[in-house]
Amino acid sequence: GESVGLHLPTLSVQEGDNSIINCAYSNSASDYFIWYKQESGKGPQFIIDIRSNMDKRQGQRVTVLLNKTVKHLSLQIAATQPGDSAVYFCAENITHAGNNRKLIWGLGTSLAVNP
Amino acid sequence: DAGVIQSPRHEVTEMGQEVTLRCKPISGHNSLFWYRQTMMRGLELLIYFNNNVPIDDSGMPEDRFSAKMPNASFSTLKIQPSEPRDSAVYFCASSPRQENEKLFFGSGTQLSVL
Repeated sequence: GESVGLHLPTLSVQEGDNSIINCAYSNSASDYFIWYKQESGKGPQFIIDIRSNMDKRQGQRVTVLLNKTVKHLSLQIAATQPGDSAVYFCAENITHAGNNRKLIWGLGTSLAVNP
Repeated sequence: DAGVIQSPRHEVTEMGQEVTLRCKPISGHNSLFWYRQTMMRGLELLIYFNNNVPIDDSGMPEDRFSAKMPNASFSTLKIQPSEPRDSAVYFCASSPRQENEKLFFGSGTQLSVL
């Protein structure tokens, strides 16, 4: 079936260290993937995206890696800061019947940054 | 840019009452989404609109839920009658035509049905 899951529900890192948040997806037809960050009391905020024709994409302090062979997605945050503490969601975009595209969301990973 | 604006921020009501949640998408965005978030089920898409037209409402839990988008700058999600199991955070999001997979979320409405 269609599902997006996370390997680690919680992640605790030291300030300044690099963080890696992992995500597994099950639908090989998914062609677009997004990472969102949700801070307490706020809505999810777009971080970075990647299409299935790419393996890696870099943003500011963040990198997303896509391994289509094993259906795995990861978000790497360099030099993690206290402001990075949040819940991180991965989502995959697939096309349903009738060309209806739909985002499937993971359950989220909580990232805690220790000073 | 004010972003997606939702109201109210918090809503506490009694079982059986009607609840109306409101959303103003980002100006110029042509898609609007209503999501529900709970600890148990995570983020669930309830319904989305393209150019004010409902495209996929398969996520609407039951007939007690209804959504409208009378114009490009306003949408409502109504629950009538409300039940305790409807308690959740309801998010509205919009996306631009050029990148309709990139959603911009509002701050949500925290709904508590007693």
